[in-house]
Amino acid sequence: SQKIEQNSEALNIQEGKTATLTCNYTNYSPAYLQWYRQDPGRGPVFLLLIRENEKEKRKERLKVTFDTTLKQSLFHITASQPADSATYLCALLFSGGYNKLIFGAGTRLAVHP
Amino acid sequence: NAGVTQTPKFRVLKTGQSMTLLCAQDMNHEYMYWYRQDPGMGLRLIHYSVGEGTTAKGEVPDGYNVSRLKKQNFLLGLESAAPSQTSVYFCASSYGGQVQPQHFGDGTRLSIL
Repeated sequence: SQKIEQNSEALNIQEGKTATLTCNYTNYSPAYLQWYRQDPGRGPVFLLLIRENEKEKRKERLKVTFDTTLKQSLFHITASQPADSATYLCALLFSGGYNKLIFGAGTRLAVHP
Repeated sequence: NAGVTQTPKFRVLKTGQSMTLLCAQDMNHEYMYWYRQDPGMGLRLIHYSVGEGTTAKGEVPDGYNVSRLKKQNFLLGLESAAPSQTSVYFCASSYGGQVQPQHFGDGTRLSIL
């Protein structure tokens, strides 16, 4: 069965540095990959979507890469701020037959002043 | 802009009791979803709807029922609650299918004793 792996350990970084979060998957490559942010006690909020034929996507301080050879997506936050502290979820959408969006468990990011 | 609203926010049930979780969206979205989120696991799809009057099973549908009588509302029912259904339940909606960004409510925290 399809597996998604996100680092279960929290990522602690200093304000101003670049945070890099990893999303690895097994077996089949997804048609689309989404990243969400989730704050404690809140629902996930959509950030970015990248298609399998795109290598990179940017939005302000956010950048997502998608490497189907490595079966990996990287999520970067440049010039990180304490307000970026949250849990970040990746979600993979596999097409063919029916669409199914599979979420990773998320990685918690803590940005320290 | 209310977005996706879930009620109640918290609930404690005894084993065997029934209840209905309510989800309302004001974005005129066709697709609506119910997920559960458990510690260390990704969001798992329970049921979804592709339009008013339609419902379909997701990954973990057993023990739950849903109804979509109006486009803006999606109801999740637990007929006979079990401790294994203790979880945080999220409702989401999207304009198109799962390739489109999903808009989430802030969840219902449900404990079954």
